[in-house]
Amino acid sequence: KQEVTQIPAALSVPEGENLVLNCSFTDSAIYNLQWFRQDPGKGLTSLLLIQSSQREQTSGRLNASLDKSSGRSTLYIAASQPGDSATYLCAVKPGTASKLTFGTGTRLQVTL
Amino acid sequence: NAGVTQTPKFQVLKTGQSMTLQCAQDMNHEYMSWYRQDPGMGLRLIHYSVGAGITDQGEVPNGYNVSRSTTEDFPLRLLSAAPSQTSVYFCATGLAGAYEQYFGPGTRLTVT
Repeated sequence: KQEVTQIPAALSVPEGENLVLNCSFTDSAIYNLQWFRQDPGKGLTSLLLIQSSQREQTSGRLNASLDKSSGRSTLYIAASQPGDSATYLCAVKPGTASKLTFGTGTRLQVTL
Repeated sequence: NAGVTQTPKFQVLKTGQSMTLQCAQDMNHEYMSWYRQDPGMGLRLIHYSVGAGITDQGEVPNGYNVSRSTTEDFPLRLLSAAPSQTSVYFCATGLAGAYEQYFGPGTRLTVT
């Protein structure tokens, strides 16, 4: 059974710092990995999608990498801002089915 | 283009009552699914559908029913609500295959 782990569970950094969020998964047979952002009391917003054949994806200040063989992905946030404060979730799509397996998230707080 | 909509936003039920959570999408996506989100447990898949007339169980299907009569709608029915079903429910949609998924804003359900 696929298991997805995100470490750390919570992170607090001062504004302007670069930071890395980690996601690991136990079964490397995945189709893709998706990073989401969730604000308190809100739904999930898709940030980046990495296909299994890709090594990384970039969107603005965000860069996500994927090492399928080692079962790891990282989300790099450059020059963090208070508006980046949210919970970040990663989810893997195992095989041909569209269902996602989620990690429990990293709660990020960026302080002034 | 409304994307993914969910109604109601909030609901309080008494134990034993039944209700239907609504999910609608206007993106012509084949795939629709329901997740529940509980503190410390991440999002878990309840039921999913790969097209009209086709549904299947996810990780935690007990106590829930679904049907998919149209591409646009995928309602989730609670047959006899229990306090263990207190949760936030999210609907997600996507194209079949290795594509990203889109989430609705969620329904916060409390069962007393």
